[in-house]
Amino acid sequence: GAGVSQSPRYKVAKRGQDVALRCDPISGHVSLFWYQQALGQGPEFLTYFQNEAQLDKSGLPSDRFFAERPEGSVSTLKIQRTQQEDSAVYLCASSLAISRRTVYNEQFFGPGTRLTVL
Amino acid sequence: GDSVTQMEGPVTLSEEAFLTINCTYTATGYPSLFWYVQYPGEGLQLLLKATKADDKGSNKGFEATYRKETTSFHLEKGSVQVSDSAVYFCALSDPRAKTSYDKVIFGPGTSLSVIP
Repeated sequence: GAGVSQSPRYKVAKRGQDVALRCDPISGHVSLFWYQQALGQGPEFLTYFQNEAQLDKSGLPSDRFFAERPEGSVSTLKIQRTQQEDSAVYLCASSLAISRRTVYNEQFFGPGTRLTVL
Repeated sequence: GDSVTQMEGPVTLSEEAFLTINCTYTATGYPSLFWYVQYPGEGLQLLLKATKADDKGSNKGFEATYRKETTSFHLEKGSVQVSDSAVYFCALSDPRAKTSYDKVIFGPGTSLSVIP
């Protein structure tokens, strides 16, 4: 079966442009996560969806960042008025779990979108 | 808050050498611990995990033991191959975290290059 896919794989934007990054999770996966990975760093949590509900957006760095998952499958991360500090790899991950259990529910990651803001 | 520290890279080894990548963590409770691997051009993949003290996670010849007394989870492999060249991330998830999902905290990653 297909894994998590993300598009585009690379995006170059001029400062001030809006961008939209797409994530196609594994079919049937209820949970979806977005992470931001700066160069040389580990992924940092941005936001979490359970089906179409955005249950946690505490990691979004500013109100220029917006994420949605309207039908509980595909998700889009939108960044408005991009700034140079937004340059990073944006990772999407999905997991099958409906809710947290004592056993870790493995997150499956996509290849990421590398965003470069000039 | 919870955090993960791991040895800085890059690490360069010859094929068949022994590998250790150190990882230590800070957490208020008893987290689950993981190693993720990121091969060039690919997404992160779960390599191994351990959910309680003294557990040993293993996969593809890699091992790591959950050491509560030293708050460590060092990754080891007895004989590395060129195909092991990748970035390795140590991570934790605290089951007592006040979230309805598994919030994972990653270390900064260690780049490994294995040369023939």
